[in-house]
Amino acid sequence: GQQVMQIPQYQHVQEGEDFTTYCNSSTTLSNIQWYKQRPGGHPVFLIQLVKSGEVKKQKRLTFQFGEAKKNSSLHITATQTTDVGTYFCAYSGAGSYQLTFGKGTKLSVIP
Amino acid sequence: DAGITQSPRHKVTETGTPVTLRCHQTENHRYMYWYRQDPGHGLRLIHYSYGVKDTDKGEVSDGYSVSRSKTEDFLLTLESATSSQTSVYFCAISLAGVSTDTQYFGPGTRLTVL
Repeated sequence: GQQVMQIPQYQHVQEGEDFTTYCNSSTTLSNIQWYKQRPGGHPVFLIQLVKSGEVKKQKRLTFQFGEAKKNSSLHITATQTTDVGTYFCAYSGAGSYQLTFGKGTKLSVIP
Repeated sequence: DAGITQSPRHKVTETGTPVTLRCHQTENHRYMYWYRQDPGHGLRLIHYSYGVKDTDKGEVSDGYSVSRSKTEDFLLTLESATSSQTSVYFCAISLAGVSTDTQYFGPGTRLTVL
């Protein structure tokens, strides 16, 4: 079935460096969502993108949805130790109430 | 956290025993989901429910059954637990009427099958 690939699987950055994770699909997506899971915690919804070329910002986090709606990215500017965790992208089919998750990118921040 | 609780939070059981995990929500949400999370696999949907007594299978439903006799409770049962079902199980709800596909997760249940 339809899947999304997330890259990289792991990322280690020095505190203060930027971080980007990518979510790629072979087919057009109706929407993309991003979740964050802290170590030992549960996934927490961050944002949803639905429009081609959409860009949304949350403080140091910038989310983009590609023009073709086949890829998305999450960029964190000047990482902090509080950014540590795994970031998942997810999508639902048109009219569907099910989400399919990518395998996530695990971010480690070295103080 | 959308008023979602899961019980138990941790459980250790033996192969072949039945196990039931409970998800409870306090805000009358229609859609509820069960996922399992394993290293290298991300979150995979086991079963979901779109109303009382209305359930359907997800990607990895073999070996699992669910029941929803009340809006607030969604039960996941492993009829005969196997070691491959050792995992962290998350329940989630959708905010129907606001965004039916944005999901909010419970705290999780860590299950170990020996």
